[in-house]
Amino acid sequence: SQKIEQNSEALNIQEGKTATLTCNYTNYSPAYLQWYRQDPGRGPVFLLLIRENEKEKRKERLKVTFDTTLKQSLFHITASQPADSATYLCALANQAGTALIFGKGTTLSVSS
Amino acid sequence: DVKVTQSSRYLVKRTGEKVFLECVQDMDHENMFWYRQDPGLGLRLIYFSYDVKMKEKGDIPEGYSVSREKKERFSLILESASTNQTSMYLCASSFDRVTSLGRGYTFGSGTRLTVV
Repeated sequence: SQKIEQNSEALNIQEGKTATLTCNYTNYSPAYLQWYRQDPGRGPVFLLLIRENEKEKRKERLKVTFDTTLKQSLFHITASQPADSATYLCALANQAGTALIFGKGTTLSVSS
Repeated sequence: DVKVTQSSRYLVKRTGEKVFLECVQDMDHENMFWYRQDPGLGLRLIYFSYDVKMKEKGDIPEGYSVSREKKERFSLILESASTNQTSMYLCASSFDRVTSLGRGYTFGSGTRLTVV
């Protein structure tokens, strides 16, 4: 069955550094992958989608890469700020293409 | 601004009660979803619907049912609440069935349900 792994439960970095979060998947070849941000006690918020034919996508300080050979996506936040502290989730469509399945998330803490 | 509204932020119910969780979206989305989120387990799909009166089981439908009588409203029903259904419940909607146009899901703020 499909499996998504975000291999760090928590990541602590200093303000100004680049945060890099990893999402790996198995037993599947998704056409796209999505990243969401979730703050405590709130629902996830959609950030970015990257398609299988896109190697890299950028939005302001965010950069996402998608390597279908490695079955991996990397999510980068450059010049990180304390306001970037949150849990970040990756998601991809189930094999039927009818709904998203989510990784367990990585909690990022940016200290000033 | 588009919105998904869940009727309650916090609920406390007794074991055996029938519980209704309501979700309303104002974006004219076809697709609506119910997930539960638990520490260490992440988000798990309970049920979803891609049209009025249509429903499909997700990964963990046991103990739940759903109702979608109107396009904008999707209700999750716990037929007989049990303590293992204590969780954060999240409703979401999307315009695209396979979200291929890059708009992603819009989530509500969640309902934290405690069954005692």
